[in-house]
Amino acid sequence: GQNIDQPTEMTATEGAIVQINCTYQTSGFNGLFWYQQHAGEAPTFLSYNVLDGLEEKGRFSSFLSRSKGYSYLLLKELQMKDSASYLCAVGNTNAGKSTFGDGTTLTVKP
Amino acid sequence: DAGVIQSPRHEVTEMGQEVTLRCKPISGHNSLFWYRQTMMRGLELLIYFNNNVPIDDSGMPEDRFSAKMPNASFSTLKIQPSEPRDSAVYFCASSFIGFTEAFFGQGTRLTVV
Repeated sequence: GQNIDQPTEMTATEGAIVQINCTYQTSGFNGLFWYQQHAGEAPTFLSYNVLDGLEEKGRFSSFLSRSKGYSYLLLKELQMKDSASYLCAVGNTNAGKSTFGDGTTLTVKP
Repeated sequence: DAGVIQSPRHEVTEMGQEVTLRCKPISGHNSLFWYRQTMMRGLELLIYFNNNVPIDDSGMPEDRFSAKMPNASFSTLKIQPSEPRDSAVYFCASSFIGFTEAFFGQGTRLTVV
C-alpha cells in the first residue's frame, strides 16, 4: 500500500514564502503530483515531479527526492488567493492509479 | 474540450431514495475515477475504471453503491438506498493513464436528509 503524510494546516503571511512538505512510502513509484483545491471547488493540477530535483513554475516550485520519499511545494510571494488546500498525490504503476494525501489547508493572512 | 462534466451539481434527496450521479470524462482519456470528499475523511477513491473496465472498487463503501461505465464517454455512480451519512461532494476525474495527471469535474454536492 501507500502511506502519504502532509501537515494538516499551515498559516503564512501575505508576501512571504511557505513550504508544504509531503512524505510518502510506496512501491512502483511513478511521479508525485501537487493539486490545489479552493474551498467549494474541485482540485486542480499544479505540478508533477518524476525525477529528483526542483521544478519551477512561476511563484510555485516543487521538489522531489525519491531516495528519501520526500517532496515539498514552495509558494513564493504569497497572495490571499493562495489560501486553499494543497494535496500531494503519488502515482503508482503497480496499482495503475494515484493516491492522494489528506491535504494541507493553507491560510494566508494580511 | 470542456473538461470533465458532472451532473447534477447539487442533489438533495430523502433517505431511502435512489441517487444517480453522472460523469462525462475528457475525450481520449482512458482512466476514470470516482471520489468522495468530506471534511472528516478527506478525498477518498471509491472506484476507478481503465478502458471502461472497473479495476479497483475496494473503496466502495458497501453494496448500496454501484458504478458503471457503459462506454468511454459516460459513467454513473448510483446509491440505492441513500442514507444521511452518504452526504458529501462526489468528484469524477479522468486521466490519460491511471497514474498521470487527473482532471476533476466540478463535483456533485449530495445532501441526504
